[in-house]
Amino acid sequence: NAGVTQTPKFRVLKTGQSMTLLCAQDMNHEYMYWYRQDPGMGLRLIHYSVGEGTTAKGEVPDGYNVSRLKKQNFLLGLESAAPSQTSVYFCASKGQGADTQYFGPGTRLTVL
Amino acid sequence: SQQGEEDPQALSIQEGENATMNCSYKTSINNLQWYRQNSGRGLVHLILIRSNEREKHSGRLRVTLDTSKKSSSLLITASRAADTASYFCATLPGSGGYNKLIFGAGTRLAVHP
Repeated sequence: NAGVTQTPKFRVLKTGQSMTLLCAQDMNHEYMYWYRQDPGMGLRLIHYSVGEGTTAKGEVPDGYNVSRLKKQNFLLGLESAAPSQTSVYFCASKGQGADTQYFGPGTRLTVL
Repeated sequence: SQQGEEDPQALSIQEGENATMNCSYKTSINNLQWYRQNSGRGLVHLILIRSNEREKHSGRLRVTLDTSKKSSSLLITASRAADTASYFCATLPGSGGYNKLIFGAGTRLAVHP
C-alpha cells in the first residue's frame, strides 16, 4: 500500500515549456486535490476532483489544467510554464465521508 | 485567501519543554485539523477537532478550540528533537464546499537536544 505517490520528484523547466505532474493513490479515494506551497504562504488549492471524470477550480487555478480520467490518478498540467509557477506541488486524496487528507511527498518545480 | 494564521511563525525550544502553537481563522468552521510537515516531505495529519468540541488529546498532543474567538492551539508536551517540523492548521469551512481545507502559513518548530 503505497498511499499517495507523485512523479516526478524534481523538475526544471524553461519559461513557456509544458509538463504534466502525475498523482496516483491506491486507497480507492473519491476526492483528490492539487496544492502548491510557497515560502511563508502555506498550501493553496489549485484544483480538486470529487470523483472520476470530474474536476473543479480551487483558489489559484490560473495557468493550470487537470484531468481525472481514472479514479486513482489526478494529473496536473502546465501548458506554458512561467517563473511564478516555481513552487512545491502536493497532491492529496481523501475518502468519501472522511475528514483526513493524505498527502504525497511533493514535486519541486523550478521554472527558469 | 488564507483562513488560518499561525502564531508564532517560528519557535525554538529545548528537548523536554512544551511547545504551544496558535491558529486563528476568520469564518465559521465545521472542523479544524493540524498537520505536520517534516523538511522536504508531505503533510501528515495529526489531530482533528470538530466545531462542537473544546479540547482533544492524542498522545503528547493537546488541541483546544475556542469558536467564540475563532482560534485554536496545539500543545506538544515533553518535546523531542524528532518533533522538529512545520505545523499547519487547516480549517474546513462550515459551509462544506466539497471538503476543501484552507491552510495557514504554518509554525516552524525547532527542538534542540
